[in-house]
Amino acid sequence: EGQLVESGGALVQPGGSLRLSCAASGFTFSSYWMHWVRQAPGKGLVWVSRISFDGTNTTYADSVRGRFTISRDNAKNMLFLQMDSLRPEDTAVYYCVRDRHSNGFNWGQGTLVTVSS
Amino acid sequence: SNDVTQPPSVSVSPGQTASITCSGDGVKLGDKYICWYQQIAGQSPVVVIFQDNKRPSGIPERFSGSNSGNIGTLTISETQPEDEADYYCQVWDSSTGPVVFGGGTKLTVL
Repeated sequence: EGQLVESGGALVQPGGSLRLSCAASGFTFSSYWMHWVRQAPGKGLVWVSRISFDGTNTTYADSVRGRFTISRDNAKNMLFLQMDSLRPEDTAVYYCVRDRHSNGFNWGQGTLVTVSS
Repeated sequence: SNDVTQPPSVSVSPGQTASITCSGDGVKLGDKYICWYQQIAGQSPVVVIFQDNKRPSGIPERFSGSNSGNIGTLTISETQPEDEADYYCQVWDSSTGPVVFGGGTKLTVL
């Protein structure tokens, strides 16, 4: 099944930056599209961004486009999310997700990002 | 808009059947695959149904799914107390557009 372990979540002030990381293991990382999905406290799942298996194709939700950047390092089996110009509404648990196509997503345990002064 | 709508809450008695629907507004569900995720409080989501009606290994047979007439349905037969959770539908599309989740349904087993 594989494992995804997120890190990098923290308390940050509005306007600040943060970089999330996700370490993948137990599967061929370079063969899968990957996503970031977030969940605000007490709210539902919201897709944030995705990246193709080779990193050449990226897509973003309207709410983060221009502020967030997704990237990956296939040699190190790592996925990243660079978050700039953070806003209070970005407060959420951020999940690293493996895209198994129509077989669904596999999820990490999540990392909490809190944007507050 | 490309919204997917779920009822906010469903209640069921233990041993009874629970049905959770997923309908599209601007999204043609009939020609796409639907996945269903279970999220128990404090945990990460887990796939319980993929490709409309397939169960991953380890998911009990009481979980089933369908996708017809632009409505997807997750059915839990003989509901158990441990099935109490939030359930989310996800519309899988092979295009490069955004990934769409339903708003989630809180299943309460009374």
